[in-house]
Amino acid sequence: DAKTTQPTSMDCAEGRAANLPCNHSTISGNEYVYWYRQIHSQGPQYIIHGLKNNETNEMASLIITEDRKSSTLILPHATLRDTAVYYCIVRGGGADGLTFGKGTHLIIQP
Amino acid sequence: NAGVTQTPKFRILKIGQSMTLQCTQDMNHNYMYWYRQDPGMGLKLIYYSVGAGITDKGEVPNGYNVSRSTTEDFPLRLELAAPSQTSVYFCASSYSSPWGNQPQHFGDGTRLSIL
Repeated sequence: DAKTTQPTSMDCAEGRAANLPCNHSTISGNEYVYWYRQIHSQGPQYIIHGLKNNETNEMASLIITEDRKSSTLILPHATLRDTAVYYCIVRGGGADGLTFGKGTHLIIQP
Repeated sequence: NAGVTQTPKFRILKIGQSMTLQCTQDMNHNYMYWYRQDPGMGLKLIYYSVGAGITDKGEVPNGYNVSRSTTEDFPLRLELAAPSQTSVYFCASSYSSPWGNQPQHFGDGTRLSIL
């Protein structure tokens, strides 16, 4: 699976949009971009995933660049409960597990 | 839906003791996984299973064993507990699909200390 690079930490004001970047310049054609988050040592929570088109669900939006070498997770109206470590993971098909890096620690400020 | 259920939530073991971490899911998922997470680090894959009777090693399998006799259950066995196995253990499951890309659903973890 391709390696990803994320900032170590980010701050965002409550109510504003949180934009979390991820670089995955070695992504291959059949690999998806996944985002998970982990709140205070709970089990990771799936947020969203995509291949090449932008995706939106009730939690977030995922913007993938046309060359697929980077992506941005957008939390449209961040709340204090969104404070967590966010993991960007690139993964192909099959049953293999997820490869977690250190992620981005997002802190939502009141 | 209960989702992925792990027991126990906390456990303290002495060096050399053995124990089994339980994981069960009620979503009829074929794929199941065990991860460990050390402080300040991301999760690392221990073992995984694509269905009943089939298991495979992940990145850090040494010191652990698994079995998968049913679709629902995927227990993780520590035979001779060592301090290096002090960690938080997460179980996860997912659907299989022709495209192979389905999100994993995680349990709340088992916090294990070896003293």
